[in-house]
Amino acid sequence: GDSVTQMEGPVTLSEEAFLTINCTYTATGYPSLFWYVQYPGEGLQLLLKATKADDKGSNKGFEATYRKETTSFHLEKGSVQVSDSAVYFCALRGTGNQFYFGTGTSLTVIP
Amino acid sequence: DAGVTQSPTHLIKTRGQHVTLRCSPISGHKSVSWYQQVLGQGPQFIFQYYEKEERGRGNFPDRFSARQFPNYSSELNVNALLLGDSALYLCASSLALNEKLFFGSGTQLSVL
Repeated sequence: GDSVTQMEGPVTLSEEAFLTINCTYTATGYPSLFWYVQYPGEGLQLLLKATKADDKGSNKGFEATYRKETTSFHLEKGSVQVSDSAVYFCALRGTGNQFYFGTGTSLTVIP
Repeated sequence: DAGVTQSPTHLIKTRGQHVTLRCSPISGHKSVSWYQQVLGQGPQFIFQYYEKEERGRGNFPDRFSARQFPNYSSELNVNALLLGDSALYLCASSLALNEKLFFGSGTQLSVL
């Protein structure tokens, strides 16, 4: 069945460091891929998405490229800020429009 | 504009009781989905409704049920609560199927 495997955390980085959070998926067909972010005390918010192979989603300095050959959708940011501290979830939308989420990666950015 | 609103925000129940959680979608959104998020895990899909009809069901027991009303709001019901039902229950709305999901802040359910 469809599933998402996400890099475990927690991740702690200094401000302006480079961020990578790994995500790989298993799916039948060609799913759409997403990164959601959950700030403390808030609901999940869509960060970026890609709907087909080689698409690059980007938002707020974050990027992720849909790699069909490696079934991956790794999240990257060149220079993190304290305000990026949150939990990040990789997800895919599979058959029946059902979303499958990874377990989440907690990021803490220290000044 | 109001986002997705869920009530109550927190709830404490005992084993064997039942619970009703409520969700109001963003105005104009016709689809509502429910997810269970256990501490330290990602959200797990429970149900999706669109135009008052069930359009998807996750791998949850029959103790879980839901419905969507003519105004597109939704209720999630859980009967015979178990300790393992303790979780954050998230509601998400979207304009239609296959559209972007907007999540509420959730209802934190604790079963004692």
